[in-house]
Amino acid sequence: QQQVKQSPQSLIVQKGGIPIINCAYENTAFDYFPWYQQFPGKGPALLIAIRPDVSEKKEGRFTISFNKSAKQFSLHIMDSQPGDSATYFCAASIRSGGYQKVTFGTGTKLQVIP
Amino acid sequence: DGGITQSPKYLFRKEGQNVTLSCEQNLNHDAMYWYRQDPGQGLRLIYYSQIVNDFQKGDIAEGYSVSREKKESFPLTVTSAQKNPTAFYLCASSTGQKDGYTFGSGTRLTVV
Repeated sequence: QQQVKQSPQSLIVQKGGIPIINCAYENTAFDYFPWYQQFPGKGPALLIAIRPDVSEKKEGRFTISFNKSAKQFSLHIMDSQPGDSATYFCAASIRSGGYQKVTFGTGTKLQVIP
Repeated sequence: DGGITQSPKYLFRKEGQNVTLSCEQNLNHDAMYWYRQDPGQGLRLIYYSQIVNDFQKGDIAEGYSVSREKKESFPLTVTSAQKNPTAFYLCASSTGQKDGYTFGSGTRLTVV
C-alpha cells in the first residue's frame, strides 16, 4: 500500500520532444506528490510538487498531471533539452506518527539527444 | 547559502571496519533523514530524526546507527554488521511539514 510504481525505467527522446514519466500509487491517504531531478553524482533536487486537490501544475517547462480517481500522476517536460538528461523520481508522502513519510518511485533515467 | 553538506564525497571501507558519514545542515530544519541509493532500487530510508536526541529506524536500518546531538548534525555510522554497504548515501532535511526534502550531494561508499 505504501508503494509508488514508476515507469518507464529509462527513456530516450530527441531535443524538443515531450518525455512523459508516469507514477501510480495505492494509498489514498497520500497528500503530497513531489518530483525530484537527480544528475549523476549529485543528490536529488525538488523539481515540482502537487497536492491532490488540483489536477495540473505547471512550472516553466515542467507539468504535473494528477488523476485522483485513477491514483496516477505524471511528469511532462515540454521542449526537452539535453540539459534535462537526468534521473527523475516521483514520490508520495503522508503524515504518519508526526512526521511526513515519503515513498519514492524507482526512478526514470531520461536521455535527451541533441 | 543554506544547504546540506555531506562529507566525505568518496569513502572506502575495509572489511570489518566501521565508518561514519557526516551530514550538516544550516537550514534550521527539524527533520533529517538518511537514504541509501542503489541502481534500479530508488531511495530507501535508513533512519530519520524529527528532533534532537530522537531518531527512528527506517526500512533498512540493520547494520547502521545514527545520533542527533545537535539540530544541525545527523551523522550515520555504517557498522561491520552491514554486509553489503557499497552504495550511494544521501542525507536530507525538511521542515517536517508538508513540503519537499533538501538533499545533500551524497557520499559514495565502497568496500575494498
